[in-house]
Amino acid sequence: EDQVTQSPEALRLQEGESSSLNCSYTVSGLRGLFWYRQDPGKGPEFLFTLYSAGEEKEKERLKATLTKKESFLHITAPKPEDSATYLCAVQPTSGGYNKLIFGAGTRLAVHP
Amino acid sequence: DGGITQSPKYLFRKEGQNVTLSCEQNLNHDAMYWYRQDPGQGLRLIYYSQIVNDFQKGDIAEGYSVSREKKESFPLTVTSAQKNPTAFYLCASGGSGASTDTQYFGPGTRLTVL
Repeated sequence: EDQVTQSPEALRLQEGESSSLNCSYTVSGLRGLFWYRQDPGKGPEFLFTLYSAGEEKEKERLKATLTKKESFLHITAPKPEDSATYLCAVQPTSGGYNKLIFGAGTRLAVHP
Repeated sequence: DGGITQSPKYLFRKEGQNVTLSCEQNLNHDAMYWYRQDPGQGLRLIYYSQIVNDFQKGDIAEGYSVSREKKESFPLTVTSAQKNPTAFYLCASGGSGASTDTQYFGPGTRLTVL
């Protein structure tokens, strides 16, 4: 069964304290892996798509990496405005449409 | 500005009522999706449509219905048959699925059963 697990469920950081969020996945074949940011009471905002193991993408203080079993979202020197829930989703090669399987998310709180 | 709009932002439903959530996009996307988000769970797919006048059930379609009469619009009706409708509902749009297409989300509608 296709599955996505994110860890930790919640993470509290001090401003400037770098860390990583994990997204482990089990799919028969991976077409793409997506990262989204979601603020409370709002819709998810697209961050990155990764397609193959070894690929990396960066945006400001965020860098996403991908291996054959997991993806990491590295946050370097975070600021309070980085506080949000970060969602990971995978698109399997099976399914016949643009199916996404989501993890439950990691709630990040960055304190000054 | 291109984007996805959902209305209303908050919706309250009494027992036995049907309610309809609106979703409109001006991104010229072929595909549209409805998800449900509950605390501590990943987004779950309710219905999707890859083209006008066609739609398919997702993983949790029971108690919901949709229509796709226009490319820009994909309304979701929560019927009285949905026993636990209180949740955050998200509409998304994206490519038709022939390749890996990013899904872009609207701002959401929070539905509460009174």
